Amino acid sequence: KQEVTQIPAALSVPEGENLVLNCSFTDSAIYNLQWFRQDPGKGLTSLLLIQSSQREQTSGRLNASLDKSSGRSTLYIAASQPGDSATYLCAVSNTGKLIFGQGTTLQVKP
Amino acid sequence: KAGVTQTPRYLIKTRGQQVTLSCSPISGHRSVSWYQQTPGQGLQFLFEYFSETQRNKGNFPGRFSGRQFSNSRSEMNVSTLELGDSALYLCASSLEGPGARSGELFFGEGSRLTVL
Repeated sequence: KQEVTQIPAALSVPEGENLVLNCSFTDSAIYNLQWFRQDPGKGLTSLLLIQSSQREQTSGRLNASLDKSSGRSTLYIAASQPGDSATYLCAVSNTGKLIFGQGTTLQVKP
Repeated sequence: KAGVTQTPRYLIKTRGQQVTLSCSPISGHRSVSWYQQTPGQGLQFLFEYFSETQRNKGNFPGRFSGRQFSNSRSEMNVSTLELGDSALYLCASSLEGPGARSGELFFGEGSRLTVL
């Protein structure tokens, strides 16, 4: 059974710092991995999608990597801003559905 | 282009009642998935529809059901509501579904259900 774990559960950093969020999964047989952002009381916003054949994807200040063999993905956020404060969720696509981690709640202090 | 639209955004029901939630996917998307989000269990998959057919189903009781119409709009229904059904229900649309190369999912704002 696929399980997705995100570490840390919460993170507080000063503005301007570069940071890394971690995601691990137990079954490497995935179609793709997607990173989302969720603001309080809101839906999920797609940040990056990495196909299983890819190693990384970049969008602006965000870079996500995927190592299928070790069951790991990282989301790198450069030069963090207070507007980046949110919960970040990773999800793997497996047998026709997404399986989510519990998320990392990020607070960026001005 | 318009995103995923879910209605209603908020609703309050009492135990034993039933509820119907609606989801309009992004134009051209044929796959609609439903997820339940609670503080304790996180995000859990309910079911996925593609071209009016249920393709995948999660581990929820039969009180949870859904359907998809020919225009790809989808509804989910929960009958005989229980207190534990209080949650944020999220709908996601994609071109071909989570397992496809074009499998990026786009979520709506959700319908927040409170069961009293």
